[in-house]
Amino acid sequence: LAKTTQPISMDSYEGQEVNITCSHNNIATNDYITWYQQFPSQGPRFIIQGYKTKVTNEVASLFIPADRKSSTLSLPRVSLSDTAVYYCLVAVAGSASKIIFGSGTRLSIRP
Amino acid sequence: EADIYQTPRYLVIGTGKKITLECSQTMGHDKMYWYQQDPGMELHLIHYSYGVNSTEKGDLSSESTVSRIRTEHFPLTLESARPSHTSQYLCASSDIGEQFFGPGTRLTVL
Repeated sequence: LAKTTQPISMDSYEGQEVNITCSHNNIATNDYITWYQQFPSQGPRFIIQGYKTKVTNEVASLFIPADRKSSTLSLPRVSLSDTAVYYCLVAVAGSASKIIFGSGTRLSIRP
Repeated sequence: EADIYQTPRYLVIGTGKKITLECSQTMGHDKMYWYQQDPGMELHLIHYSYGVNSTEKGDLSSESTVSRIRTEHFPLTLESARPSHTSQYLCASSDIGEQFFGPGTRLTVL
């Protein structure tokens, strides 16, 4: 199973760009990289998914280098409502049995 | 918005009681999951299903059981609740892409 490593916590301020990096040194060829966001007392919510290079949607960008051993979630111009736990997952797309959420990164945004 | 529902949202129950946590989704997803999460801690996969009549145990050992008789329904049962079962239980479903999570059931066993 591809294990991921993320910083335990990060702090930033409103309006700043936040980059959260995830290491996944033993990622397999068929694995995709997926990021989720979780607020207290709620289930996680999908943010973005990618396989290689760069993916962008309306809320975030995901940068994946050529060796795919790490990935960076970029949140542009964060607000207080972006305070949450962010999880990086590595798994085969559509797999049910090999999904490990890990500890996640607790992001705190200050005014 | 994802259409996945969990009931009850909160449950306080005494030791030894049998409980069933309900999870339903209206998206027609084949895959469904149960996770257990203590406050401020990781999510742990305890059960998953690839479809009707298919259930498997996840990475975290759990005394709970699940059934999948209908595509849209994936209930979790504890035959005899204990204080160690106190936790939040999250249900999710997926097709080939991301998982959609329900709001969770917060279970407290006294």
